[in-house]
Amino acid sequence: AQSVSQHNHHVILSEAASLELGCNYSYGGTVNLFWYVQYPGQHLQLLLKYFSGDPLVKGIKGFEAEFIKSKFSFNLRKPSVQWSDTAEYFCAVRRYGNNRLAFGKGNQVVVIP
Amino acid sequence: KAGVTQTPRYLIKTRGQQVTLSCSPISGHRSVSWYQQTPGQGLQFLFEYFSETQRNKGNFPGRFSGRQFSNSRSEMNVSTLELGDSALYLCASSSIGTSGRDTDTQYFGPGTRLTVL
Repeated sequence: AQSVSQHNHHVILSEAASLELGCNYSYGGTVNLFWYVQYPGQHLQLLLKYFSGDPLVKGIKGFEAEFIKSKFSFNLRKPSVQWSDTAEYFCAVRRYGNNRLAFGKGNQVVVIP
Repeated sequence: KAGVTQTPRYLIKTRGQQVTLSCSPISGHRSVSWYQQTPGQGLQFLFEYFSETQRNKGNFPGRFSGRQFSNSRSEMNVSTLELGDSALYLCASSSIGTSGRDTDTQYFGPGTRLTVL
């Protein structure tokens, strides 16, 4: 079965600090990759996605992620976080040709003003 | 376009009862997937429907079932509720789901919070 790993479940940062969240998956075939964010009291929203092409993808709110195929990784980054980035972040992987998303356990990020 | 809608938003049931949750996908989307979110297990895939047929199924007992209607709206049913079924149930829709193209991104609804007492 395909698995998705996210480390450092709880992350606490100060505003303006840089954020990097790791995501590794176990499937070796062609995959589509996603980061979703769940702000407090809100529903799961798409942050960014990778289907093909440039492995460095940019999403909303200044987030970006890099797909490194050789490392089976899709790490999320933001150079300077804001208090409003406090949320839970989920990495998700989908095998090509299959619409089932496999999620990581999530990263709870708290940004201190 | 309106987003994915789910009803009801909150439900309280007792053990042994059954429950039906509803999901209306984004207009034009034909694939509807259901996920269960709990603090311990995270987000887990339940099943996916496409053109009124179950196309994919996760590792949940047969008490969990679903269906899809000709207008792509979907319902999921949980029979003989157990305490462990307390969770946020999320519905997601996408256009076709298997093309591998950008249009197959899944968009999520707000969820139904089910509490089993």
